[in-house]
Parts: sequence; C-alpha cells; structure tokens
Amino acid sequence: ILNVEQSPQSLHVQEGDSTNFTCSFPSSNFYALHWYRWETAKSPEALFVMTLNGDEKKKGRISATLNTKEGYSYLYIKGSQPEDSATYLCAPKGSGGSNYKLTFGKGTLLTVNP
Amino acid sequence: NAGVTQTPKFRVLKTGQSMTLLCAQDMNHEYMYWYRQDPGMGLRLIHYSVGEGTTAKGEVPDGYNVSRLKKQNFLLGLESAAPSQTSVYFCASSYSGQGGEQFFGPGTRLTVL
Repeated sequence: ILNVEQSPQSLHVQEGDSTNFTCSFPSSNFYALHWYRWETAKSPEALFVMTLNGDEKKKGRISATLNTKEGYSYLYIKGSQPEDSATYLCAPKGSGGSNYKLTFGKGTLLTVNP
Repeated sequence: NAGVTQTPKFRVLKTGQSMTLLCAQDMNHEYMYWYRQDPGMGLRLIHYSVGEGTTAKGEVPDGYNVSRLKKQNFLLGLESAAPSQTSVYFCASSYSGQGGEQFFGPGTRLTVL
C-alpha cells in the first residue's frame, strides 16, 4: 500500500481565484499518477493520467504537473468557478506486481464561492 | 453505452444477512475493481480482477468475496454482513491495468443495522 498525502484537506476560494493543491507519493517504483475529480453525489471522473517526470497536462482551466524524482504532483485551477467545487483525488500507481492497482489519497475538497 | 452500472443503488441489511452487489460494464474492459468509501478514509480497494476468471485481494478484502465469471460482470458478495460494512461501494473498470484511467459506476449505498 503506497503512502499518499494530499494537501490541503479542504480549501475555500472565491470565484475567479486561482488555486493549487499537492499530492505527495513515494518516488521509488513509480509507474503512473492519476488525478480524479469527484463531485458530490456523483462518481469520480478521471482528469489526467501522468507517467513522465516533468510532464504537464492541461484540460481547460485545470492543469497538472508531475515530479517523479521527488514524488509530488500539483493540480492547478485557473479562475475557479462554482462548478469546479468537488473533491480532487490523486492516485499513484506503482510498478512491478502492484501496477494494476491505484492507491487513492483522501482528496482535497475544493469549494468555490460565487 | 451505459458505461459502468451497479445494482442495487441502495440496500439496508440486518447483521448476518448476505447479499451480492453486481457491477456491469459494456466497454470490454479487462480490469475491474471494487472500492469502498468511508468518511475520512477515501477510496479503499477491496478486490480487483485483471481478467475473466481471475480475482485478487486489495487493501481491505476481509468479509467480502468476489467473482468474475463473465468479462463484463464483477460481483461483490457479503456472506454475513456486519455494521462495519456500512459504506458506499464503487465499482470501476479500466482497459489497461498499467496506465488506463478507471471508469466508475454510480455507487451502492449499503447500510447494515
């Protein structure tokens, strides 16, 4: 079981603010890092799957970066909107025998106030 | 395509009763997973399957059994339900175990009294 830390646990921002949060994971035996967006009363939906050190991915106003050598990933939201309110989960995947499984962090709960 | 579906959506059991949760996917995915979600705990993997006829234990397998007799279906069984199994259960599937994103079902809310 991988040790995954997400910070902060929760975050309140005003509409229009830009924000970011962190996912930390073991840098050894790294294979991939997933980010999911989970709205209340819905199911988690994948945002990004990242594998390469230095990788940066973008989807609309949301982007993510990956540092596999030091074991962290940042998720950025530019110009937050109320519809961005959700829990953002990261999930690293290790290499070797456990590479079929994701270990989810506890998430960062983002609330965007209009 | 329906994606990943779960049956039932809600269920209330008494301690000691048994039940089976059904997960079905129509995306021809090889890999399927069962998670439970509890407040403050995040998503925890119960069991998973890397293909038809195969199953493996996840982080919290005790008290659960699974079967994958058909590629599109993954069943989660509780033989003797306990209050500690009160949770929301999510099924997921992916086309690749190595890098593929997981697609989640809508969840089953189970209460064990």
